[in-house]
Amino acid sequence: AQSVTQPDIHITVSEGASLELRCNYSYGATPYLFWYVQSPGQGLQLLLKYFSGDTLVQGIKGFEAEFKRSQSSFNLRKPSVHWSDAAEYFCAVGPHSNDYKLSFGAGTTVTVRA
Amino acid sequence: GAGVSQSPSNKVTEKGKDVELRCDPISGHTALYWYRQRLGQGLEFLIYFQGNSAPDKSGLPSDRFSAERTGESVSTLTIQRTQQEDSAVYLCASSLGATDTQYFGPGTRLTVL
Repeated sequence: AQSVTQPDIHITVSEGASLELRCNYSYGATPYLFWYVQSPGQGLQLLLKYFSGDTLVQGIKGFEAEFKRSQSSFNLRKPSVHWSDAAEYFCAVGPHSNDYKLSFGAGTTVTVRA
Repeated sequence: GAGVSQSPSNKVTEKGKDVELRCDPISGHTALYWYRQRLGQGLEFLIYFQGNSAPDKSGLPSDRFSAERTGESVSTLTIQRTQQEDSAVYLCASSLGATDTQYFGPGTRLTVL
């Protein structure tokens, strides 16, 4: 069964500092991997996705993520955080083959301090 | 519309009442999903529709939960005899096909008193 672990429940970062959110997955084959962001009271917005090919994926809002098969990880990074990046971030794996649902991590809440 | 829409945005109900939640997917998307997000948790898969195929109901937590979809359009999620543990945000997503990127609606926040 596929599963996702986001080890950090809450991260606080200063505006302008770099950000890295960790994601580890368990999956039987090459996964499809996603990062979504959820701002307060909003639905989930897709930041980026990895299906195959280049393991460094660029997304919207200046985010990038790197797929590392050897570490079963798909960490999200941003070089310089803006106050508007304060939100909850979810890593997800799937869908694939006959398993169409996304499996989500529990999320990481990012607080940005001035 | 441009994105997935859901209604109502908020629903407060009394324990034991039935509720219906609605989802309008992106036009042309054949796949539709319902997820539940409890406070402080990630999303749990509930049910999946793909075209005219039988839905995948494997995530429905009890027989009080059911969902319907008319063709490739609107879906309704019904919760009968609501319980306090049903309080959550219910999110709908749609995708072009079964393995394509899922786009989410804003959700319905359900509070059962």
